[in-house]
Amino acid sequence: QKEVEQDPGPLSVPEGAIVSLNCTYSNSAFQYFMWYRQYSRKGPELLMYTYSSGNKEDGRFTAQVDKSSKYISLFIRDSQPSDSATYLCAMTYTGGFKTIFGAGTRLFVKA
Amino acid sequence: DAGVIQSPRHEVTEMGQEVTLRCKPISGHNSLFWYRQTMMRGLELLIYFNNNVPIDDSGMPEDRFSAKMPNASFSTLKIQPSEPRDSAVYFCASTLDSNQPQHFGDGTRLSIL
Repeated sequence: QKEVEQDPGPLSVPEGAIVSLNCTYSNSAFQYFMWYRQYSRKGPELLMYTYSSGNKEDGRFTAQVDKSSKYISLFIRDSQPSDSATYLCAMTYTGGFKTIFGAGTRLFVKA
Repeated sequence: DAGVIQSPRHEVTEMGQEVTLRCKPISGHNSLFWYRQTMMRGLELLIYFNNNVPIDDSGMPEDRFSAKMPNASFSTLKIQPSEPRDSAVYFCASTLDSNQPQHFGDGTRLSIL
């Protein structure tokens, strides 16, 4: 079993839809959780960074961490065609240097 | 601020040739990572440097792969001899602290014929 599981998609939604992207993990030591966005032929770009459980909001993006269920989510409100990209979840723990990445979910937002 | 800079952006070469990928991390960052990304395996960590010292190279696939960081502003990943199965996108990332989020370059797309 992989440490981090993420559905690769693809996920196709109409413009304006609410998008929900999810990851599950097995290592309860993870404390830092990240979402990266990767456009085609570009490097992963940090989108959201959260510590421990709870919600964090930034504009149209909300990151949610549920440590009891070992489940993290990224919500995108009012999705735009420019949101079309691959979204990777990532996580690490205090004292650890290795960040574990999910496989990435490909998202297509249709105009 | 300049981000992580990688060169070349694309490299096409024949099997058996030596390949050198270059990375300039963000100024002030003391941790540097080399990754390989493929459709099949996603992002794989190859090697991690802290303060220019290799800390973990357990992800380096074979002795054909080597990495150096001669100073805080430059690192190289070398493949010698290259093989077609090395074809992938290679990313360099840096961070201020190993627990902080990593910042990625735009990668080198490597094709070995």
